[in-house]
Amino acid sequence: EAGVTQFPSHSVIEKGQTVTLRCDPISGHDNLYWYRRVMGKEIKFLLHFVKESKQDESGMPNNRFLAERTGGTYSTLKVQPAELEDSGVYFCASSSHSYNEQFFGPGTRLTVL
Amino acid sequence: KQEVTQIPAALSVPEGENLVLNCSFTDSAIYNLQWFRQDPGKGLTSLLLIQSSQREQTSGRLNASLDKSSGRSTLYIAASQPGDSATYLCAERQGAQKLVFGQGTRLTINP
Repeated sequence: EAGVTQFPSHSVIEKGQTVTLRCDPISGHDNLYWYRRVMGKEIKFLLHFVKESKQDESGMPNNRFLAERTGGTYSTLKVQPAELEDSGVYFCASSSHSYNEQFFGPGTRLTVL
Repeated sequence: KQEVTQIPAALSVPEGENLVLNCSFTDSAIYNLQWFRQDPGKGLTSLLLIQSSQREQTSGRLNASLDKSSGRSTLYIAASQPGDSATYLCAERQGAQKLVFGQGTRLTINP
């Protein structure tokens, strides 16, 4: 069974540009989460989808971040426009049920110059 | 506010030793706690998940315990090997479904 996949693995962009990260959860997992780790800090929650609906987006830092999960399969996280403080590693995770074990992808390392 | 603390930040031990990693959380209304390992440049690998109704979980040489009253969880690694070198993270879940992470303990096993 394929695990959670994320694309790209690395992205380097200029401040003010737009970047879109993609996450493909484990097949059949309705729950999809986004987290991120910025330099020197712990991993922090961004938002949670159940199928195509946003269940909890309390961790989204500001309105420059937009997450979507059309059709309840893969998800995208767009940052527009990117700022220097957005640099970090963005992780996606999925689970079969809301309180079950979460399985993480390898992360996307975003560098904003 | 939920907080998860992992001490020490880094640990180095010789191969073959048994060791304990610590995780403290601030709220006793914990739903479950998950331990992960992260290798450099890689994602998080789930090691063990302990439900609030459980006191411990075991997988191979790993044993994780949970004490809600004291707000502590420990990860015990028996007969450590160089391949165990990684960063170990604990994360708690309360009523909300998100995980709250500690900063991790970077473990080095010296051959």
